[in-house]
Formats: sequence, C-alpha cells, structure tokens
Amino acid sequence: TQLLEQSPQFLSIQEGENLTVYCNSSSVFSSLQWYRQEPGEGPVLLVTVVTGGEVKKLKRLTFQFGDARKDSSLHITAAQPGDTGLYLCAGTYNQGGKLIFGQGTELSVKP
Amino acid sequence: DAGITQSPRHKVTETGTPVTLRCHQTENHRYMYWYRQDPGHGLRLIHYSYGVKDTDKGEVSDGYSVSRSKTEDFLLTLESATSSQTSVYFCAISFSGSYEQYFGPGTRLTVT
Repeated sequence: TQLLEQSPQFLSIQEGENLTVYCNSSSVFSSLQWYRQEPGEGPVLLVTVVTGGEVKKLKRLTFQFGDARKDSSLHITAAQPGDTGLYLCAGTYNQGGKLIFGQGTELSVKP
Repeated sequence: DAGITQSPRHKVTETGTPVTLRCHQTENHRYMYWYRQDPGHGLRLIHYSYGVKDTDKGEVSDGYSVSRSKTEDFLLTLESATSSQTSVYFCAISFSGSYEQYFGPGTRLTVT
C-alpha cells in the first residue's frame, strides 16, 4: 500500500513568516500534485511536478519534487492571511490513474 | 474552471436508508472519481470510472456502489447508510491522459 505522509499536520504562524510543508513516501511516484482547500469547498490544484529535482514557483509559493521522486515540499515566503487553508499533496503512478492523498496540513496565518 | 456540480450539497438521513449522490460534468472528461474526506485522513478514493459503464473500486469501497450510464453523470449509492458513512463526499474529473484532477464543491452527508 502506497502512503503519503505530510508534516506538519497543523501550522499556526504570524503574517510575514516563512514556512515549509513536507510530503514523504517510500514509493516512487510518476507525478506529485499540491492542492489547496478552503472550508466548504473542493480542493483546487496548485501545481503538478513530474521530473525528479523539479522546482516550480507560483508567486510566493515554491514547490520541489525530490530527486528520487519519493518526496516533495511546499515553501511559502512571507505568508499572508489569505494563504490560510488546508494544503494537500497527492501522488499518482500513471496518467489518468488513481491519486493517493496525504492527510493534509492545516495552515493558519494570523494578521 | 471545469464544470462539475454535485447534488445534493447537504443531506441528513437515517441509518439503514438508501442514499444516492450525483456528480454531473459538462466537460466530456473520461475519468470520474468519488472520494470521501474525514478529519486526519485526507481524501480517500471510493470508486472511479474510466468510461461509460467502466468502473473500478478504490481503497474504501465497502458499502458503496457506483454507476455511470452517461459520460456526464457518475452516481454514488449507499445501499444502506451507516453512521460511519457520515462524511464529506467529493467528485473529481480528469482529462483523458492528464495527471490533474478537478474537484466538485462536495456533498456533506450526515447519517443519524
């Protein structure tokens, strides 16, 4: 059974601080995705990484896929209250196939 | 944004009653998925479909069945609802050949 472990599960920080969320597995994934979910809504895709060592930036968010394609990280620079939400990583083994989700990281950014 | 709707958005039902949740898409995507979301578990796959009348089980399929008679509709049925099936249910779709999935707004189901 493939598992994705996310850490930390909860994170409460002040506006302006930096943070990193980790997503780790013992399995190799063909791709790794990050989603953000707000209360009462479905997850929204932020980014997909497919190549080992790949780094993608989305404004203040930086996503990295590990060289061995078993882990990923999400780094947020100068967090803002609008970044508050549940962040989920998800891995897949083939195109159009099943996604395996991590447990999620609940981020709260206080003004 | 992918056009995905779920109905109903909220439902309260009693133990032992049948319940059907509907997912409707306007994008003609081949793949459709049903997940449940519970605190501390992220999203877990219940069933998925890779075409009309083509479905397969996910990791938590016991107590659930699905049907897909048209490309645009994917139905999830709880034959006899139990309190352990109280959850938020999400439908997702995937473009054929794409890794990404796009999610609907969810259905909050409470079984009393």
